[in-house]
Amino acid sequence: KQEVTQIPAALSVPEGENLVLNCSFTDSAIYNLQWFRQDPGKGLTSLLLIQSSQREQTSGRLNASLDKSSGRSTLYIAASQPGDSATYLCAVHPGSSNTGKLIFGQGTTLQVKP
Amino acid sequence: GAGVSQTPSNKVTEKGKYVELRCDPISGHTALYWYRQSLGQGPEFLIYFQGTGAADDSGLPNDRFFAVRPEGSVSTLKIQRTERGDSAVYLCASSLGGGNTEAFFGQGTRLTVV
Repeated sequence: KQEVTQIPAALSVPEGENLVLNCSFTDSAIYNLQWFRQDPGKGLTSLLLIQSSQREQTSGRLNASLDKSSGRSTLYIAASQPGDSATYLCAVHPGSSNTGKLIFGQGTTLQVKP
Repeated sequence: GAGVSQTPSNKVTEKGKYVELRCDPISGHTALYWYRQSLGQGPEFLIYFQGTGAADDSGLPNDRFFAVRPEGSVSTLKIQRTERGDSAVYLCASSLGGGNTEAFFGQGTRLTVV
């Protein structure tokens, strides 16, 4: 059974710091991995999608990497800003399913202090 | 609209009542998903539609939960005999194709059973 874990559960950093959020999954057979952002009381915003054949994806100040063999992904945020404060969720499409079902981690709640 | 739309945004109901939650996917998206998110947790998969049919309903917790998508666009999640444990945010997502293409989420419906 695929399980997704995100560490740390919460993180507080000063503005301008570069930071890394971690995601691990127990079964390396995945179709792809997706990172989302969720603001309090809101839905999920897709940030980056990494296909299983890719190693990384970049969008602006965000860079996500994928190491399927070790079951790990990281989300790197450069030059953090207070507006980056949110919960970041990692999710995988498990390899055993072709239905698009996403398995989510519990999220990392990030606070960037001005 | 441009994004996934869910109505209502908030719903308070009494224990034992019946509720319906609506999801309007992005136009042209054939795949539609329902997830449930409890406080402090990542979303949990409920059901996946490809067109009008439920391709995977393995996440529905029990037979009080049912979802339809009669014309392959709008979907309704129906909960009978609601219980306090059903209180959560119900999220809908859609994607362009089936399988494991990028999913886009709505803002969610916050259901509170009192």
